[in-house]
Amino acid sequence: DGGITQSPKYLFRKEGQNVTLSCEQNLNHDAMYWYRQDPGQGLRLIYYSQIVNDFQKGDIAEGYSVSREKKESFPLTVTSAQKNPTAFYLCASGLTGSSYNEQFFGPGTRLTVL
Amino acid sequence: AQSVTQLDSQVPVFEEAPVELRCNYSSSVSVYLFWYVQYPNQGLQLLLKYLSGSTLVKGINGFEAEFNKSQTSFHLRKPSVHISDTAEYFCAVSPTDSWGKLQFGAGTQVVVTP
Repeated sequence: DGGITQSPKYLFRKEGQNVTLSCEQNLNHDAMYWYRQDPGQGLRLIYYSQIVNDFQKGDIAEGYSVSREKKESFPLTVTSAQKNPTAFYLCASGLTGSSYNEQFFGPGTRLTVL
Repeated sequence: AQSVTQLDSQVPVFEEAPVELRCNYSSSVSVYLFWYVQYPNQGLQLLLKYLSGSTLVKGINGFEAEFNKSQTSFHLRKPSVHISDTAEYFCAVSPTDSWGKLQFGAGTQVVVTP
């Protein structure tokens, strides 16, 4: 089955620790995205990548880092510099060849900082 | 740049009653429009999209939306809801003149009760 997988589904972290969220897709999409979701705020873009070995900051990149070494994978690291990391994180992918930016979403990872 | 306003943060509705979720957008260029649904603790799923052509768009699960260019709106409707339609719904836009980021609204929580 084609799709996007995120792991783990739930993640707990102590303050001061870095943590990496996994995102893998087998849809052969060039573009991948990371969003943060907080209640009542919709989705906010953290980082996105349109091609391997290239990525751009979104609207709320501070305290996060990413890499794009493979087309299929776009891991997100939440660093200790992120002041309020508890949130639901969504990964998405999409095509860049067409002008409309339809995105396909993974099931999400809920991160809780203890 | 684009912006999206979902006019209702929460919409309570009785089972088998109709529902309308309102979405207005602002953009200096033409846009593509999307509605996504998110069930609790899951990722987003595309309900429907408007790219061009007929302004009435039909989607999955009996939902439809109407694009109104003069009012810059893209309201979502369903004539008869089920308990299973309880979810959060997001309106999103992307520009037509170039590959662009999706801009999401803050979401509308639909709660269906018997």
